[in-house]
Amino acid sequence: KNEVEQSPQNLTAQEGEFITINCSYSVGISALHWLQQHPGGGIVSLFMLSSGKKKHGRLIATINIQEKHSSLHITASHPRDSAVYICAVARPGTASKLTFGTGTRLQVTL
Amino acid sequence: EPEVTQTPSHQVTQMGQEVILRCVPISNHLYFYWYRQILGQKVEFLVSFYNNEISEKSEIFDDQFSVERPDGSNFTLKIRSTKLEDSAMYFCASNERRNTEAFFGQGTRLTVV
Repeated sequence: KNEVEQSPQNLTAQEGEFITINCSYSVGISALHWLQQHPGGGIVSLFMLSSGKKKHGRLIATINIQEKHSSLHITASHPRDSAVYICAVARPGTASKLTFGTGTRLQVTL
Repeated sequence: EPEVTQTPSHQVTQMGQEVILRCVPISNHLYFYWYRQILGQKVEFLVSFYNNEISEKSEIFDDQFSVERPDGSNFTLKIRSTKLEDSAMYFCASNERRNTEAFFGQGTRLTVV
């Protein structure tokens, strides 16, 4: 069983829709990262969080440590949001190496 | 904005050849990592490097792999005798401190033929 599970694997939305991507993990963590991978392959960090909620523009990330669950929300989605969104966790005492989920492929259409 | 730089962006090599993938992490960062992503699969940890030594490595990181920080700015991954299954995108990443935001390079796509 993967230590980090994401759902859904694929997601298609129309422009303007509110999007939620979920991440569940089965291990103790020191931090959870949300990352965006563009079609060309590059990875960009969106959020790092260990509790509560963070917001950046149209993106919101939440984490529930007790339930070992995090969500990434995109409000007013746009075609430029189309990418793979990846959840990754850092475990305590591991020099912050990341364990990755399989990613959620998001396609936003006009 | 500071960024992690990787070169080359794409390398094609023959099976059995040695390759060196290069990374320039962000200058004040202390923790460095190599990850790889085989096409269609998730990103996997290879090795972490701190204070001029390997701090952790995965079971993928066997004797054919090595890392170096030869001059205080470059961080390299050497694959000694490449195999077909080494074909993947290799990402370098760095953190300023433990449990801080991770910054990734654009990746090197390695194709072994």
